[in-house]
Formats: sequence, C-alpha cells, structure tokens
Amino acid sequence: GDSVTQMEGPVTLSEEAFLTINCTYTATGYPSLFWYVQYPGEGLQLLLKATKADDKGSNKGFEATYRKETTSFHLEKGSVQVSDSAVYFCARFNFGNEKLTFGTGTRLTIIP
Amino acid sequence: GAVVSQHPSWVICKSGTSVKIECRSLDFQATTMFWYRQFPKQSLMLMATSNEGSKATYEQGVEKDKFLINHASLTLSTLTVTSAHPEDSSFYICSARRTGDSQPQHFGDGTRLSIL
Repeated sequence: GDSVTQMEGPVTLSEEAFLTINCTYTATGYPSLFWYVQYPGEGLQLLLKATKADDKGSNKGFEATYRKETTSFHLEKGSVQVSDSAVYFCARFNFGNEKLTFGTGTRLTIIP
Repeated sequence: GAVVSQHPSWVICKSGTSVKIECRSLDFQATTMFWYRQFPKQSLMLMATSNEGSKATYEQGVEKDKFLINHASLTLSTLTVTSAHPEDSSFYICSARRTGDSQPQHFGDGTRLSIL
C-alpha cells in the first residue's frame, strides 16, 4: 500500500545551519507530495508541495524536489532559524483513493 | 484563504460524557472533510472521511458508533466522541478539501481531548 518513510528525529541544529530531512515514498501511481509543518499545540500547515516529477516546491526558504528516480522528496533549508522549530511531516496524496498518507514526522529543534 | 476553524481547541471532561468537536471551513465550501487522530509524538491516523449529505466512511478499526460524524452543510462537520473514556484522550485534527479540488487538504488547529 501507500507509505511514506521519513527520517527519524529528533533533529537538533544550531541557528543558520543547513537542514535536510529525508523523505521517500512508495512509487504506486503518480502521487502528489507535500511537506506539512506542525508548531507546538497547533494543527498542520501546508509548507510546500509538488505535483509531478522534477517539480520543486518552495516556501519560506524551504525547498523539496520531487525525484521520481529515487522516489524521494527531501526537505532542505540553507539557513535555519529558531522559529523553524516544529514537527515536519512528509505526505503523499493518492488520486485513486483520494487519501493523504503521512510519514511519522520529524521533530526539529533549532538552538540559538 | 482556505481557513479551517476547529472548536474547541482543548476540552477536559469526565469519563462517560460525550464530546462534540466542530470543524468549519470559513472561506470556502468543503464537500469532503477528514478527521485524524494523533497520538503523542506520532503521525496522523485517518479516522474517517466525512461527506456532506451522506454517511461518513470510516477507516478499518475505527468504531463508527463511538466516533459519530455529521456533515450537514458544506462548511461544517462534527465529530462526537460518545461515552468517552481515558483511552480516547488524544489530539484530534480535522481537515477540509475545497469542493472541486482533489488536494491539498487544509487543516484545523486541532482539539486536545483529555478524559479524566
């Protein structure tokens, strides 16, 4: 079935460090891919998305490229800030059953 | 745009009571809404898909008589946890999909339910 495998956390980085959170997905069909962010005590916010191979989603300095050859959608940011501390979820959308499947989430903590 | 409001944000109640959680799409119509449950430090688990004007579709293992879903209008879905017990304590999150769009889903801020 559909699944998303996400880098286990927690991840702790210093401010201005480079961030990568790995995400791979099952290759069934032609899914759309998403990164969501969850701040403490809140729901999920859409961070970025990509709907087809080689698409790059970007927002707030974060980027992720839809790589069909490696079935990956890794999240990157060149210089993280304390305010980026949150839990990040990778997700894939299956057009067949119209369901969104989430990875387990990666908790990111940025220290000043 | 695409704001989803969830209410209440936090509720504490005694075991045996029923709790209703509302999910509203504030600036768009949503034929379909989704209810998720999130356990501490875990991912979101889809509980059910709520369709306006028809019965909800529950995921395997989710008790439909325990978690009643009503989607009476294009902007409101409710989840009622009936006869809640401590094991029902969790973070419940709804999402809504704009009518005519297959994705993305727009999420509410969640409801933290604590059953004493």
